[in-house]
Amino acid sequence: AQKVTQAQTEISVVEKEDVTLDCVYETRDTTYYLFWYKQPPSGELVFLIRRNSFDEQNEISGRYSWNFQKSTSSFNFTITASQVVDSAVYFCALSEFIGNTPLVFGKGTRLSVIA
Amino acid sequence: DGGITQSPKYLFRKEGQNVTLSCEQNLNHDAMYWYRQDPGQGLRLIYYSQIVNDFQKGDIAEGYSVSREKKESFPLTVTSAQKNPTAFYLCASSNSYTGELFFGEGSRLTVL
Repeated sequence: AQKVTQAQTEISVVEKEDVTLDCVYETRDTTYYLFWYKQPPSGELVFLIRRNSFDEQNEISGRYSWNFQKSTSSFNFTITASQVVDSAVYFCALSEFIGNTPLVFGKGTRLSVIA
Repeated sequence: DGGITQSPKYLFRKEGQNVTLSCEQNLNHDAMYWYRQDPGQGLRLIYYSQIVNDFQKGDIAEGYSVSREKKESFPLTVTSAQKNPTAFYLCASSNSYTGELFFGEGSRLTVL
């Protein structure tokens, strides 16, 4: 069975601080896909990144970066120099197939960035 | 604009009544999904459909029903058998090649 654990329920940081959101996953598959989504107060989930299990390279997109480590089954997300607009709920998700398959989501981490 | 449209955004229902949530997509995606979100529970899968006229139960399908008569539409009915229906409901569709889910803005159902 697949499972995603986001142990941090809520995090508060002061603007311009760096913050890391943790994601630990469980799967028996050797091929799988990991995702991060952002849910702002409006409610709609916004896709941030997808990573397949064969690609362990870290990725950076502006202030966002992701650290994928198969050895620890983790796919952590770091926001550098946080801004108030980063305040949202962030979800990590897992899928064993790519395509028309449901994602298994973690419970999410609520990030509050205080000005 | 391409995307997922859910309606209504807010809905109030009396106990014992069925209610149907609408979900329409114009992204030409084959697969569509319904998730339920409760505070501190993350997103839990209710039903999904990979193709027209076919659908599968998710983890919490009891008390819900769906239909998929058209590729663009995947309505969810919350029946009176659902014991705790007050929640935020999210509809999504997926890109067959990337696996990315595209979400609607959600429907918030409150049972009075």
